[in-house]
Amino acid sequence: SAVISQKPSRDICQRGTSLTIQCQVDSQVTMMFWYRQQPGQSLTLIATANQGSEATYESGFVIDKFPISRPNLTFSTLTVSNMSPEDSSIYLCSAAGVLNTEAFFGQGTRLTVV
Amino acid sequence: LAKTTQPISMDSYEGQEVNITCSHNNIATNDYITWYQQFPSQGPRFIIQGYKTKVTNEVASLFIPADRKSSTLSLPRVSLSDTAVYYCLVGDLGNTPLVFGKGTRLSVIA
Repeated sequence: SAVISQKPSRDICQRGTSLTIQCQVDSQVTMMFWYRQQPGQSLTLIATANQGSEATYESGFVIDKFPISRPNLTFSTLTVSNMSPEDSSIYLCSAAGVLNTEAFFGQGTRLTVV
Repeated sequence: LAKTTQPISMDSYEGQEVNITCSHNNIATNDYITWYQQFPSQGPRFIIQGYKTKVTNEVASLFIPADRKSSTLSLPRVSLSDTAVYYCLVGDLGNTPLVFGKGTRLSVIA
């Protein structure tokens, strides 16, 4: 199993600013992902964080708005740029092994943009 | 990725067995079926995974008919702490990310 730590757990930010969310895994993993979840809704995949290369973004999400880094096999960051109130959501980091048999999730970062 | 359909919500009394069925009519040959549980203010947690027939672990059982176009998650003797959202996911075990459907919100009543 893997334990995922996300920082910060929550934040309130001013519109127009940026927030970087950190995701640390306690063991090396092959795959890391970032999701967004609105209250009461399901998870929406933002992107796959690729180690050593650019992230792979899902439709509707772009690198300029959600730049992602993954410098090694245990760490990734997601930045929410030029925030607006519509970016208020819970952002979740996920990690999985090579066969993706079981994915592990962090506790999430609750972001409120005012 | 195969699309899944689940009931939006279910209610159950404590001590009862709960069965949540998921439809996945266009499941592919290489796809596995995986269920996750999510409590409020937490990330999803893996419950069980299967390819065909029946799989059982300490938490739940997963029943998959021969045509694999549906699956049923069975939770024996639920308690209040089983109140959560349950997601059915279908996909291969390669380098593809998990895609979540709407899930089933289970409410367990005393």
